[in-house]
Amino acid sequence: EAAVTQSPRNKVTVTGGNVTLSCRQTNSHNYMYWYRQDTGHGLRLIHYSYGAGNLQIGDVPDGYKATRTTQEDFFLLLELASPSQTSLYFCASSDGWGQGYEQYFGPGTRLTVL
Amino acid sequence: AQSVTQPDARVTVSEGASLQLRCKYSYSGTPYLFWYVQYPRQGLQLLLKYYSGDPVVQGVNGFEAEFSKSNSSFHLRKASVHWSDSAVYFCVLSAQTGFASALTFGSGTKVIPCLP
Repeated sequence: EAAVTQSPRNKVTVTGGNVTLSCRQTNSHNYMYWYRQDTGHGLRLIHYSYGAGNLQIGDVPDGYKATRTTQEDFFLLLELASPSQTSLYFCASSDGWGQGYEQYFGPGTRLTVL
Repeated sequence: AQSVTQPDARVTVSEGASLQLRCKYSYSGTPYLFWYVQYPRQGLQLLLKYYSGDPVVQGVNGFEAEFSKSNSSFHLRKASVHWSDSAVYFCVLSAQTGFASALTFGSGTKVIPCLP
């Protein structure tokens, strides 16, 4: 069954720490996305990619890097984590880029920065 | 820029009663609209989507939504709520931008079924 998985599911780090969130999709989709979810804001797009080696900037990219190593794998990197990055992070994938392409979401990673 | 407004952060509804979740959008182009549901400790799942045609679209689990261009709305409805409908519901706008279609999320409405 096609799926989007994320690891870890929960992560606690300290201010200034280095964190990598992982996402893998078995949908054979070209597009992958990283979002953060905060109360009162819905989901906001951090970065996205349309293939291995490609990276596009989303709406809230500051403090985040990302890398797409294969069609399946997309990583979100926080090199100097700050408390403002405490959030619930979702990865998603989609088959195409036009309007109407459904995005399939992973279960989320809860990150706490102390 | 596009936006989506869900004016109700929480809705409490008796089991068996009807439910309506409100959604208003702002977008200069032709909107493609979704409703997603997030059950506790899970990712988001698609309930239904609308692009054109019949303004009333049917989704999973007895949900339906009605699109109104004149009101810039896409309200979600269910005739009879069950306790398993306890979740957060997101109205989402798909707008063409750059290389991908950006999804703009509303802030979500938490549905809390209660005993009648």
